[in-house]
Amino acid sequence: EAGVAQSPRYKIIEKRQSVAFWCNPISGHATLYWYQQILGQGPKLLIQFQNNGVVDDSQLPKDRFSAERLKGVDSTLKIQPAKLEDSAVYLCASSRLAGGLTDTQYFGPGTRLTVL
Amino acid sequence: SQKIEQNSEALNIQEGKTATLTCNYTNYSPAYLQWYRQDPGRGPVFLLLIRENEKEKRKERLKVTFDTTLKQSLFHITASQPADSATYLCALTGGFKTIFGAGTRLFVKA
Repeated sequence: EAGVAQSPRYKIIEKRQSVAFWCNPISGHATLYWYQQILGQGPKLLIQFQNNGVVDDSQLPKDRFSAERLKGVDSTLKIQPAKLEDSAVYLCASSRLAGGLTDTQYFGPGTRLTVL
Repeated sequence: SQKIEQNSEALNIQEGKTATLTCNYTNYSPAYLQWYRQDPGRGPVFLLLIRENEKEKRKERLKVTFDTTLKQSLFHITASQPADSATYLCALTGGFKTIFGAGTRLFVKA
């Protein structure tokens, strides 16, 4: 089975510019997650979708970050405008079951964002 | 607030020895706990899951214990190999939410 795909793998932008990341989860997985991982830290959940509805976006900086999951499959995460502190790896993960059940998350390779 | 603590310093061990990594948590009642492995430039990869009512889980050379009274999980790699060198993350799930620790870097020397 194909894994979680993400693109681009690397992105360098200047502050105040906008950027978008794309994620294609494992086929049939109900739940999709976006994480931010700053160097030396663990992944921090930004948003969690169950099918195409939002389950948790409590840590998403909504003044600059937005995410959508169209038709319950692919997802995009956008930052507009970017700040220096947004430099991090953005990880997408998916899990088979709907949230709340014992479930394993499968991660993509991540997008490394550098904001200059 | 909810907090997960993993050994912040790297763990260096000799090949063949048992590596033991610790995950402590506070202000949290997880339904289950997972351990992931992360290599540089890659996303985390799932290793083991243990539920709150389980004391121990094993998979090949890996063993996880979970003590909800001490609020601690121990992760053991027996007969360690240089290929086991990576960062190991613990993740706790409760109330539909999963939080990750910062991870512990393990170096296994040949």
